[in-house]
Amino acid sequence: AQSVTQPDIHITVSEGASLELRCNYSYGATPYLFWYVQSPGQGLQLLLKYFSGDTLVQGIKGFEAEFKRSQSSFNLRKPSVHWSDAAEYFCAVGDPGGFKTIFGAGTRLFVKA
Amino acid sequence: GAVVSQHPSRVICKSGTSVKIECRSLDFQATTMFWYRQFPKQSLMLMATSNEGSKATYEQGVEKDKFLINHASLTLSTLTVTSAHPEDSSFYICSANLAGGAEAFFGQGTRLTVV
Repeated sequence: AQSVTQPDIHITVSEGASLELRCNYSYGATPYLFWYVQSPGQGLQLLLKYFSGDTLVQGIKGFEAEFKRSQSSFNLRKPSVHWSDAAEYFCAVGDPGGFKTIFGAGTRLFVKA
Repeated sequence: GAVVSQHPSRVICKSGTSVKIECRSLDFQATTMFWYRQFPKQSLMLMATSNEGSKATYEQGVEKDKFLINHASLTLSTLTVTSAHPEDSSFYICSANLAGGAEAFFGQGTRLTVV
């Protein structure tokens, strides 16, 4: 069965510092991978997605993610974090057969001044 | 394109009553929709897969008699929480995919509070 692991429950970074959020997946075939952001009390916003092709994916708000098949990872990065980036981040894998989306536990990002 | 709308965004109901949440695909047809539940500070857990014209498929541990799902048309799925109790208070989110697509498009979510 598919699964997604986000090993960091929460991360604190200073404003302006770089960010990397980790995500590992378990899937039998080439996965469809997503990163979502959720602000408190809000719905989900898609940051970026990977289906195939270039393993470095650019998303919105200056985020990028790199798909590494050998490590079963899809880590999210941002070179310079802004205070407005504080939120919950979810990595997810999409099942192209059943179309379900399976979410990781999430990583809460705190940004300090 | 690919907009999913959920209504209401917030609802408060009394314990023992039922509440219905609607999920609509506004600009595409969806034979399958998904319902998720998110407890505070937790991830989204898939509750059930809603299939147009047939019975929903529930995930293990989800009470189908409590969470009634109806998918009567290609653009509308409804989730009815029956005999709601405070422990049903949660954030409910629906999603739908374009035909043959793996990317889910999510509704805005519904905050249910049972008092």
